[in-house]
Amino acid sequence: DIQMTQSPSSVSASVGDKVTITCRASQDIKTWLAWYQQKPGKAPKPLIYVASNLRSGVPSRFSGSGSGTDFTLTISSLQPEDFATYYCQQSTSFPPTFGQGTKVEIK
Amino acid sequence: QVHLVESGGGVVQPGMSLRLSCTASGFTFNNYAFHWVRQAPGKGLEWVADISFDGLLKYYAKSVKGRFTISRDNSENTVYLQLSSLTADDTAIYYCARDESAAADYYSMDVWGKGTTVIVSS
Repeated sequence: DIQMTQSPSSVSASVGDKVTITCRASQDIKTWLAWYQQKPGKAPKPLIYVASNLRSGVPSRFSGSGSGTDFTLTISSLQPEDFATYYCQQSTSFPPTFGQGTKVEIK
Repeated sequence: QVHLVESGGGVVQPGMSLRLSCTASGFTFNNYAFHWVRQAPGKGLEWVADISFDGLLKYYAKSVKGRFTISRDNSENTVYLQLSSLTADDTAIYYCARDESAAADYYSMDVWGKGTTVIVSS
């Protein structure tokens, strides 16, 4: 199975800050990577697919980049509604696997 | 509007069985594959199983293979997950998710339900 490792596990930030989350795959996944946002008690919400494509309705302050084994999710200016846990997921190889999550907390 | 609604969760004893349902609305159900993904309390996301648009292809995580069965009824717009030989490790919220494609090997989940909770406890 492909292992997905996110860093950091948690980050404290203030409204307006730029936040970057990293996801590393244990082998080359090309750009077959998705990002999800999950708030407490809610289902995951798809944010980005194929590494850099924003889902419909996702604000443009979110962006994704990377290919191969190293990927990033960037929030350019953190908003109050962005405090949540973020997961990456590879979609190139069976079984699909998720990172362990990165919690974005209020500083 | 596109919706997925899971049901069927509950509290069951170890060794028992349960059937989860995921009913879809707002799109052409039989054009898509579906997944079940679970989340144990305080933990991350774990993919469980998926099924192709026509129900012919089904795949399972190693942790549930031989115990869980995924199926679908395209006439009822519903996907099922039959859980059997349950253990405490199966305690989780179970989410149903639509795949962007009809195939069962694309793994790109674009619509999620709110989940149904399964608690395995004696």
